[in-house]
Amino acid sequence: DAKTTQPPSMDCAEGRAANLPCNHSTISGNEYVYWYRQIHSQGPQYIIHGLKNNETNEMASLIITEDRKSSTLILPHATLRDTAVYYCIGQGGEKLTFGTGTRLTIIP
Amino acid sequence: EAGVVQSPRYKIIEKKQPVAFWCNPISGHNTLYWYRQNLGQGPELLIRYENEEAVDDSQLPKDRFSAERLKGVDSTLKIQPAELGDSAVYLCASSLDRRTAAIQFFGPGTRLTVL
Repeated sequence: DAKTTQPPSMDCAEGRAANLPCNHSTISGNEYVYWYRQIHSQGPQYIIHGLKNNETNEMASLIITEDRKSSTLILPHATLRDTAVYYCIGQGGEKLTFGTGTRLTIIP
Repeated sequence: EAGVVQSPRYKIIEKKQPVAFWCNPISGHNTLYWYRQNLGQGPELLIRYENEEAVDDSQLPKDRFSAERLKGVDSTLKIQPAELGDSAVYLCASSLDRRTAAIQFFGPGTRLTVL
């Protein structure tokens, strides 16, 4: 699996877009980028994944650079319930390898 | 639809005691995972089952940890004897099958404290 690098923490004002970056410069051509989040005292929750095209679902948008060396998870209108640790994972096999993620705090 | 169920949610034991955690995955999910999460870290895979077969147990400390998934549905993870360093959150997850292995659904975890 590709090694990923994320900032340890970020703040975002409630109602604004939260943009969470992830570097995965060693990602190979067949590895997807997955995003999970973990709210305090809960298990991780799948958010979105992509290979090379931008993706959007009801939770978030995923923007992957053309060279696939980095990506950004976008929460368009952050709420207090989005406060969590966000994990970016480069995955090509059948298991997920979690790093330490980005702790996102939504400020009222 | 019920999610992944784990019990107990919390467990406090003294070192050298045995402990067991139970997991019931989402109905119809063939793949089951046990993870351990230390404070401030991401989850680390301990074992992965495809139905009742353990297909990846390379990270399971086999001297004291054991797991089973009889009948390919619910699963039990056991530690015997527990050590202080085993204090962590133990997470169970399931996915539909190998093809969708990276989309996993997690339970709330069991927080183990070893005194």
